[in-house]
Amino acid sequence: DILMTQSPDSLAVSLGERATINCKSSQSILDSGHNKNYLAWYQQKPGQTPKLLIYWASTRESGVPDRFSGSGSGTDFTLTISSLQAEDVAVYYCQQYYSDITFGQGTRLEIK
Amino acid sequence: EVQLAQSGAEVKKPGESLKISCMGSGYAFSAFWIAWVRQMPGKGLEWVGFINGGDSEIRYSPSFQGQVTISVDRSIRTAYLQWNSLKASDTAIYFCARRRDDHGDRRFDTWGQGTPVTVSS
Repeated sequence: DILMTQSPDSLAVSLGERATINCKSSQSILDSGHNKNYLAWYQQKPGQTPKLLIYWASTRESGVPDRFSGSGSGTDFTLTISSLQAEDVAVYYCQQYYSDITFGQGTRLEIK
Repeated sequence: EVQLAQSGAEVKKPGESLKISCMGSGYAFSAFWIAWVRQMPGKGLEWVGFINGGDSEIRYSPSFQGQVTISVDRSIRTAYLQWNSLKASDTAIYFCARRRDDHGDRRFDTWGQGTPVTVSS
């Protein structure tokens, strides 16, 4: 099984500031033949259903604001929110889909 | 519009059976998989398994293999998750999600609203 570990577990950022969430996989999730990382990011707002933000580690899903961006390759990945808005308060999960499916434990993002 | 509509909240006793559903609309049901995801109270997301809406191929998470059964009825565009004998530890919200199946792309791009399941004596 591929283990996904996120850091930090929780994060408080001021409105308009940058928020950065990290995700590390226990083995590489890069398909070097296609140069694709099998990683997605999801946002779950309080009391709501999860929502896909990013896939292939850095491709934004249609309709997702461009303040959300994903980066990284191999085993280390980052979700960045460039300028935090009040509506971004949520728990964020990374997910690998290289071998079956595994989610990270989640990172709770709050306003400072 | 792509939508997944899940069945309503359930309250059951330990040892009882249960089958919850997820109906897809607005897309070619047979061209995608349906995944099931568990979220225990106050906890994170856990993959349960998924089923191919076309050929009914199923893949279970090792953690859930033998504990649940996933099935599909393509004629009514509906996937199911069922238990034969519920335990208190099955108490959770269960989400279904549409899983893509295109050149390794297995992201969950659309989610149902979730079905809360409470198991208590």
